[in-house]
Amino acid sequence: AQSVTQLGSHVSVSEGALVLLRCNYSSSVPPYLFWYVQYPNQGLQLLLKYTSAATLVKGINGFEAEFKKSETSFHLTKPSAHMSDAAEYFCAVSEEGYSTLTFGKGTMLLVSP
Amino acid sequence: NAGVTQTPKFQVLKTGQSMTLQCAQDMNHNSMYWYRQDPGMGLRLIYYSASEGTTDKGEVPNGYNVSRLNKREFSLRLESAAPSQTSVYFCASSEARQGIVYTFGSGTRLTVV
Repeated sequence: AQSVTQLGSHVSVSEGALVLLRCNYSSSVPPYLFWYVQYPNQGLQLLLKYTSAATLVKGINGFEAEFKKSETSFHLTKPSAHMSDAAEYFCAVSEEGYSTLTFGKGTMLLVSP
Repeated sequence: NAGVTQTPKFQVLKTGQSMTLQCAQDMNHNSMYWYRQDPGMGLRLIYYSASEGTTDKGEVPNGYNVSRLNKREFSLRLESAAPSQTSVYFCASSEARQGIVYTFGSGTRLTVV
């Protein structure tokens, strides 16, 4: 069964600092991996997705993630945090042959001035 | 605007009452999903419908029923609400293929007292 682990329920950074949100997956086959963002009182929006075309995936708002099969990881990064990046971020996995997504528990990103 | 529409946005129920959460999408998607979001738990799949006329249980189906009324609409019913069903409920839709991006509704915040 597939699963996703997000390390850290809360991550705090200063504006302009590097953002690193960690995601590790457990899947018996090469998965499809996603990062979604949720702003307060809103639904989830796609940041980026990995579907085996390239290991480094660029998303919206300057975010990117790198798929590392040897580490079963798909960490999300952004070189310089903005106040507007404050939100909850979810990593999700989908296995080949399935359309359902399994989500991690989420990481709340806090950005201070 | 095209997307997924959920009604109502907020609801308070008494224990034992029933209600139906409505979801409609106008993107001609084949698949639809119901998730619940609880603090520290991420999103958990309740039920999904891979295509019109089919429904399947997800991770946490107990206490819920669903109806895929037509291709556009997918409703979630609570027959006898319990305080443990206090949550934010999200409906989503997608094409019926692996690795496909979900479009989420804005959620229904349900409180059972």
